[in-house]
Amino acid sequence: ETGVTQTPRHLVMGMTNKKSLKCEQHLGHNAMYWYKQSAKKPLELMFVYSLEERVENNSVPSRFSPECPNSSHLFLHLHTLQPEDSALYLCASSQEEGGNSPLHFGNGTRLTVT
Amino acid sequence: EDQVTQSPEALRLQEGESSSLNCSYTVSGLRGLFWYRQDPGKGPEFLFTLYSAGEEKEKERLKATLTKKESFLHITAPKPEDSATYLCAVKSSASKIIFGSGTRLSIRP
Repeated sequence: ETGVTQTPRHLVMGMTNKKSLKCEQHLGHNAMYWYKQSAKKPLELMFVYSLEERVENNSVPSRFSPECPNSSHLFLHLHTLQPEDSALYLCASSQEEGGNSPLHFGNGTRLTVT
Repeated sequence: EDQVTQSPEALRLQEGESSSLNCSYTVSGLRGLFWYRQDPGKGPEFLFTLYSAGEEKEKERLKATLTKKESFLHITAPKPEDSATYLCAVKSSASKIIFGSGTRLSIRP
């Protein structure tokens, strides 16, 4: 399998649930990212990991908790979300975090909070 | 403040009707400008990187150009399969990546 793989593709959860999004990259990249995409809004950067260390946390509420156990895997743990958190959550990777290499995206998890 | 603005928000063309999408940017120290294509239900797919004013890149019916203030994505004789949302992003000298809101392109047969 190649590229960036995200699971699940779709997720419906209540506000009191706890769930996790998973991302795996098969590109040998050193940086991984979580983005939030809402309708008609620019992609919003949430978290950046470089070589498994978090290098950026873009003022994201604590109900979103990232985890990067190794350079190929990235998780986003979700708990007590709000309806406005419904969106497409995209994972991306790049060769390195500070350089000019492009981002490679997965196909996202469509999250609906009821 | 770093900013990326894409226009138009949506564009409908007839098959074969050439046009251009615009990406205007304000950024402190441009390190790169990126174009992506996003199909419904999928993540953005990388198309081009441009680094300096005057640079051009081509891929099939697409050509991207860059000036000091904006980039254009020219689409020549488009086909229905070119229908997608096209995203522009810039990387600043502080390594921040800023995305535009995208242009939804629809090509009618």
